[in-house]
Amino acid sequence: EIVMTQSPATLSVSPGERATLSCRASQSVSSNLAWYQQKPGQAPRLLISGASTRATGIPARFSGSGAGTEFTLSISSLQSEDFAVYYCQQHNNWPLTFGGGTKVEIK
Amino acid sequence: EVQLVESGGGLVQPGGSLRLSCAASGFTFSIYSMNWVRQAPGKGLEWLSYISSGSNTIYYADSVKGRFTISRDNAKNSLYLQMSSLRAEDTAVYYCAGGRGGTTFEYWGQGTLVTVSS
Repeated sequence: EIVMTQSPATLSVSPGERATLSCRASQSVSSNLAWYQQKPGQAPRLLISGASTRATGIPARFSGSGAGTEFTLSISSLQSEDFAVYYCQQHNNWPLTFGGGTKVEIK
Repeated sequence: EVQLVESGGGLVQPGGSLRLSCAASGFTFSIYSMNWVRQAPGKGLEWLSYISSGSNTIYYADSVKGRFTISRDNAKNSLYLQMSSLRAEDTAVYYCAGGRGGTTFEYWGQGTLVTVSS
């Protein structure tokens, strides 16, 4: 099983600032990495798949990069609605696995 | 509008069984692979099971293999999860999820809560 490790666990950011979230895979997942956003009481929302392809309707301030074992989700200028928990997920091997999440909170 | 609506959750005793359903609408369900994902209270996401569009390919997480069974009825636009030998650690919100890629989750239901407790 591929273990996904996200860091940091919590990220404190001021509105308008840039946020950078990291995700590491225990072995290569090529570019088969997705990012999700989850707000309290809601289902997750797909932001990015294939490491860097934004899902339909996702604002351009969200960008993903990386390949192999190291991945990054960047949010260029945090809006109030972006404060949430973010999960990475590898979609290269079975079983599909998620990272433990990064909570982005208001500083 | 794409909709996935789960049902069937509730309180069940350890060792008991429960069947979850997921009703799909707003997209061509029969050509999409589907999955079940769960989230324990205050915890992260855990993928549980995958079923291909024609039910030919099925995968399970080790944590539920042998206890849970995924199935679908394309004529009814419905996905199911039969859960047996339930344990306290199965307590979670259960989501059905799917997408064009099959292994990423573009569409999610609102979730149904399963509580395993005596």
